[in-house]
Amino acid sequence: QVQLQESGPGLVKPSETLSLTCAVSGFSISSGYYWGWIRQPPGKGLEWIGSMSHSGGSYYNPSLRSRVTISLDTSKNQFSLKLSSVTAADTAVYYCARRVGYCNAGDCYVHYFDYWGQGTLVSVSS
Amino acid sequence: QSVLTQPPSMSAAPGQKVTISCSGSSSNIGNNYVSWYQQLPGTAPKLLIYENDKRPSGIPDRFSGSKSGSSATLGITGLQTGDEADYYCGTWDSSLSAGVFGGGTKLTVL
Repeated sequence: QVQLQESGPGLVKPSETLSLTCAVSGFSISSGYYWGWIRQPPGKGLEWIGSMSHSGGSYYNPSLRSRVTISLDTSKNQFSLKLSSVTAADTAVYYCARRVGYCNAGDCYVHYFDYWGQGTLVSVSS
Repeated sequence: QSVLTQPPSMSAAPGQKVTISCSGSSSNIGNNYVSWYQQLPGTAPKLLIYENDKRPSGIPDRFSGSKSGSSATLGITGLQTGDEADYYCGTWDSSLSAGVFGGGTKLTVL
């Protein structure tokens, strides 16, 4: 059974960098799939942040691309999210997930998340 | 403002059937596959339907999905109080080059 678990600071100061890690068990991230992040502001809907594969392919939400970095550490079977220059608008529950997708030249006609972490709340406040 | 439009809330009685709509455009639902997620209170989203109408292992056949043109529908039959949750549709938007979700529908079973 594939399991994902997020970890990282629950409080980040404005203008600083949010850093989260997602530990994966039950599946080797180097075996395939893309690995991604989704967030949910309190009381609001889901927002896709981005996804990355072990081969280096990546997709990012255009609205966040300039501030987001996703990286994979296959030796530890985990992947990470860094979001720079955060503001209060970045306060959210952050989920990591395994992405299933079929894409051609950057266009994905299949794109969904089959396994999710439990989520971690990150608040941005001084 | 979400790219995909869902009704904010719906309600139905136990045992009844409900259909939740998800409306998009040719750049997303019209040309790409749709997925649906169930988010029970205080928990992470869970995949209910993928590739328009397929159910992952363990999802009961009370849940069904369909797509027509640029709209998709999630159907739930034999409603149970345990189905009270937020439901989200999702897909890829080819114009935005981004994954997108609907705004979510809060289902109340009363």
